[in-house]
Amino acid sequence: KAGVTQTPRYLIKTRGQQVTLSCSPISGHRSVSWYQQTPGQGLQFLFEYFSETQRNKGNFPGRFSGRQFSNSRSEMNVSTLELGDSALYLCASSWDRNTGELFFGEGSRLTVL
Amino acid sequence: DQQVKQNSPSLSVQEGRISILNCDYTNSMFDYFLWYKKYPAEGPTFLISISSIKDKNEDGRFTVFLNKSAKHLSLHIVPSQPGDSAVYFCAARKGAQKLVFGQGTRLTINP
Repeated sequence: KAGVTQTPRYLIKTRGQQVTLSCSPISGHRSVSWYQQTPGQGLQFLFEYFSETQRNKGNFPGRFSGRQFSNSRSEMNVSTLELGDSALYLCASSWDRNTGELFFGEGSRLTVL
Repeated sequence: DQQVKQNSPSLSVQEGRISILNCDYTNSMFDYFLWYKKYPAEGPTFLISISSIKDKNEDGRFTVFLNKSAKHLSLHIVPSQPGDSAVYFCAARKGAQKLVFGQGTRLTINP
């Protein structure tokens, strides 16, 4: 079955602009989590959605927002982009109760100039 | 508050030898610990996990050890192969809460 799909894979924006990233989870999965990866910082948790409701939220400013649709697809938005927002944004689909595993997509690489 | 820490940013090992990656955590309520492998420009790939009720889990060349009293876990890869060169992330969770990741360790396997 298809894995987690993220679009776009790569994008370049300038400071002050806004960006929207999309994630389609594995079919049947109802939970979507978003992470930001920057060099030396590992994966930082942004937020998690379950059945269109935000269930958990990380320590990011309000410029970072997200939502989930009835078909479980999720979007995250970053407004007023800053240079420090350049990162790989990863989406993950549900988790396996036997292993604790989250299923990750390949990520969207955002570069802010 | 870094609840999961990987204190070695990088590790270099000769092909065929054992690679040992370490991870420390501070939250004693974590009940699942995982290791992920990541290549550049790809998403993390799940490797192996261990429940807090166990102290060892093995899957082929990969073994994870958990020392709850020391709040420490390690990943052993034996024998190391060139394809194992990647960034390895340790992660932990409590119940259905978010997965908390360490900063990662870049493993390089030398021929």
